[in-house]
Amino acid sequence: DVKVTQSSRYLVKRTGEKVFLECVQDMDHENMFWYRQDPGLGLRLIYFSYDVKMKEKGDIPEGYSVSREKKERFSLILESASTNQTSMYLCASRSTNGGVSPLHFGNGTRLTVT
Amino acid sequence: AQRVTQPEKLLSVFKGAPVELKCNYSYSGSPELFWYVQYSRQRLQLLLRHISRESIKGFTADLNKGETSFHLKKPFAQEEDSAMYYCALSGSDYKLSFGAGTTVTVRA
Repeated sequence: DVKVTQSSRYLVKRTGEKVFLECVQDMDHENMFWYRQDPGLGLRLIYFSYDVKMKEKGDIPEGYSVSREKKERFSLILESASTNQTSMYLCASRSTNGGVSPLHFGNGTRLTVT
Repeated sequence: AQRVTQPEKLLSVFKGAPVELKCNYSYSGSPELFWYVQYSRQRLQLLLRHISRESIKGFTADLNKGETSFHLKKPFAQEEDSAMYYCALSGSDYKLSFGAGTTVTVRA
């Protein structure tokens, strides 16, 4: 069974701090994604990576960056956290081997920026 | 650009009644469409995908390219169907976009 693990379930940070959200998957998936989930707005794509060291901007990349140095790990970085980045962050991965497969999600990280 | 629209934020039905969740999309190529579900305190998971053409937990969804829709239907809703449902579209560039979601409440 695919496992997508997000390092923190809850995180509280102060405005201006640099924040790292980590995500690890154990199934050698090529694609990895970071979304934020907000009530009434659904899931909005921040960044995705179609393979190691590759990254693409999603729909709301401003204020975020990502890193994918190893295939299993995809990190989301908030360079200078702001209160409007308080949200639930979801990481997901999927395989593209033999066709595109469905996403497998992590449990999410609820980030509060004060 | 690709976009997914779920016009209903909330849907409330009685147990045993039919339920239909609407999803419309815009995409210039041939998309892959999915429905994902999130039950209370659980992670998001795949419910079904259009290429499978299967019924999962009594739900079906048909891709209508003419109307650019992928509505989710179930003839007889059950209380355990109460959840948040998301429609999603995957394009040729690996990008996967979601709609705003519909919260379904099934009342006894």
